[in-house]
Amino acid sequence: GDSVTQMQGQVTLSEDDFLFINCTYSTTWYPTLFWYVQYPGEGPQLLLKVTTANNKGISRGFEATYDKRTTSFHLQKASVQESDSAVYYCVLGDMLSGSFNKLTFGAGTRLAVCP
Amino acid sequence: EAGVTQSPRYAVLQEGQAVSFWCDPISGHDTLYWYQQPRDQGPQLLVYFRDEAVIDNSQLPSDRFSAVRPKGTNSTLKIQSAKQGDTATYLCASSFRLGANYAEQFFGPGTRLTVL
Repeated sequence: GDSVTQMQGQVTLSEDDFLFINCTYSTTWYPTLFWYVQYPGEGPQLLLKVTTANNKGISRGFEATYDKRTTSFHLQKASVQESDSAVYYCVLGDMLSGSFNKLTFGAGTRLAVCP
Repeated sequence: EAGVTQSPRYAVLQEGQAVSFWCDPISGHDTLYWYQQPRDQGPQLLVYFRDEAVIDNSQLPSDRFSAVRPKGTNSTLKIQSAKQGDTATYLCASSFRLGANYAEQFFGPGTRLTVL
């Protein structure tokens, strides 16, 4: 079945540092991949979406690129702010359901940004 | 526009007790999802509805969990005879179907359940 792996459980940075979060996925179909962000006390919210058609997504200063050869899907940001502190989830959409209703979430990467 | 609302926000039970969670999706959204999120893990889909019909409940522990959406709007998730392993946050999400295209899921704040 579909699976998503995030090896970095926790990342601690200072403001203006570069952020890079790695994710790998496994699926038998052409994937649609998402990054969701979850702030304390809230549900996850969509940060950006990438499909096989465009390979790259950009939103709120974050950029994600998927590499079909290595089945990887990285999230990066040039300069993080304290307000970016949250948990970031790599998510795989199930194309079999037709409208990506079935989402497979990774374990999440907790980002802490120190002022 | 109001987002997805859930109640209660917190619940604490003894093993063997029952509990119900309630979800009010965004107005006009036809698809509703229930997820279970154990501490420090990503959400895992339990069940989802389109209008009042269950589309997929394959991950719902059917012996103790049940979910309904009788009028295609609000939904209730119930756990009979809770176990310590049910301790988690229960998230509700909703979306509006756009044919074969991706429909963004909007999540509520969740109900944090602790089973002692």
